[in-house]
Amino acid sequence: GAVVSQHPSRVICKSGTSVKIECRSLDFQATTMFWYRQFPKKSLMLMATSNEGSKATYEQGVEKDKFLINHASLTLSTLTVTSAHPEDSSFYICSAPSGGSYEQYFGPGTRLTVT
Amino acid sequence: AQSVTQLGSHVSVSEGALVLLRCNYSSSVPPYLFWYVQYPNQGLQLLLKYTSAATLVKGINDFEAEFKKSETSFHLTKPSAHMSDAAEYFCAVSETGNQFYFGTGTSLTVIP
Repeated sequence: GAVVSQHPSRVICKSGTSVKIECRSLDFQATTMFWYRQFPKKSLMLMATSNEGSKATYEQGVEKDKFLINHASLTLSTLTVTSAHPEDSSFYICSAPSGGSYEQYFGPGTRLTVT
Repeated sequence: AQSVTQLGSHVSVSEGALVLLRCNYSSSVPPYLFWYVQYPNQGLQLLLKYTSAATLVKGINDFEAEFKKSETSFHLTKPSAHMSDAAEYFCAVSETGNQFYFGTGTSLTVIP
C-alpha cells in the first residue's frame, strides 16, 4: 500500500528555537496532506490541511503563525513549529488521502520534545 | 459538524474473550467511518472502514464493525482477543474522505 514517511521520528529542541518536520508521500502524489497533533494518552487533533501550491487551512484554535505549513511539492509537506515552548511537546502525525478509496495514509509520527 | 464519541477510555478483556469497543458518531451527511489501531510511539494502522457499501465491515486480524444508522454507531468487535491486540484504538469519521475527526481513543488491555 501507499507509504507516508515523516522525518525526523524524534526531535529534541530548546525553548525558543524552531523545528521543521517533513511529511513525504513515497509512491504517490498528494495535493493535500493533513497534520494532526496527539497529546499523551489523547486522541489526534486535526491541526491543518496542507494544500500544494496554496496556503494551508487551519482548524479553529490553531495558531497559523506558530505552526507554519508549506506544501512545496506534490510529495512533500513541512510543518515548522516556530519559537517552540515546552507546551508544544507532542506527537505530530501527518496523513495523505488515498485518492479515491476514502482512506488516509498516516505517517509514523514525529515525537517533539521541547526543553 | 462531525464528531465521534468512544465510550470507555479503557477496556480490559481476557485472552480469548470477545472484544467490543464502542463508537458513536455525529454527522450531517452520510459519513465515512474508520477504525484505527495505534501501538506505542507508532502511527496509525487502518483496521477497517465503512464507505457506504455493506453495513457489516470486515477488517484485518478478525476485527469487524457494523454501521447502524439508526443508532449512529460503528462498534468494533473481535470474537477472540489475542495478547497482541493490546493497543490504543481510535474511531474516526469523515464526511469527505479528507479531514478526519477522531474519537478520544480506547485503550485495550488483554489479560492472560
